[in-house]
Amino acid sequence: QKEVEQNSGPLSVPEGAIASLNCTYSDRVSQSFFWYRQYSGKSPELIMSIYSNGDKEDGRFTAQLNKASQYVSLLIRDSQPSDSATYLCAVNPSGGSYIPTFGRGTSLIVHP
Amino acid sequence: EAGVTQFPSHSVIEKGQTVTLRCDPISGHDNLYWYRRVMGKEIKFLLHFVKESKQDESGMPNNRFLAERTGGTYSTLKVQPAELEDSGVYFCASSQVPPPAFFGQGTRLTVV
Repeated sequence: QKEVEQNSGPLSVPEGAIASLNCTYSDRVSQSFFWYRQYSGKSPELIMSIYSNGDKEDGRFTAQLNKASQYVSLLIRDSQPSDSATYLCAVNPSGGSYIPTFGRGTSLIVHP
Repeated sequence: EAGVTQFPSHSVIEKGQTVTLRCDPISGHDNLYWYRRVMGKEIKFLLHFVKESKQDESGMPNNRFLAERTGGTYSTLKVQPAELEDSGVYFCASSQVPPPAFFGQGTRLTVV
């Protein structure tokens, strides 16, 4: 069983729409969750961290965490073509490790 | 401010040869991480340094891989002897505190 699962996509949304990216994880006691964005040919960059159940908003981005269901999502409001990238979900396993486990990423395409 | 820098950007070597990858983290970042992405797979953790000390090397595949971090500054990852399955993109990341926040552009290693 994969530890962090994401739909590889591509997820295609029109400009201005809400893009919803989902991620599930297998370690029930994971405590820390991260979203990274990776533009084509570039390196990943950390864009969001979330540690408790509920929503965390940062500009047009909202991370949502549901530990009971073991999923974390990233919503991008008012999507722009510049948001087109691969979004990687990463989860810190239990046991105090600070080494996140990555999913394979979801490719997002925002078309004008 | 310079980001995380990796050298070389590409390397093609023959099976059995030795290759050394270098990472210069962002100045002042005590935490340095090595990751690898094999084509079509997720980014996999290799090693974590805190300053010059190896905090976690549980992801190193075998003893053909040797990582060092001289004086807590730059780091090298040596593969000796290289095997075909070592091919992939090797990422370095750094941060002041976990998790890894800033990634380098990666070194694409091809073993033929």
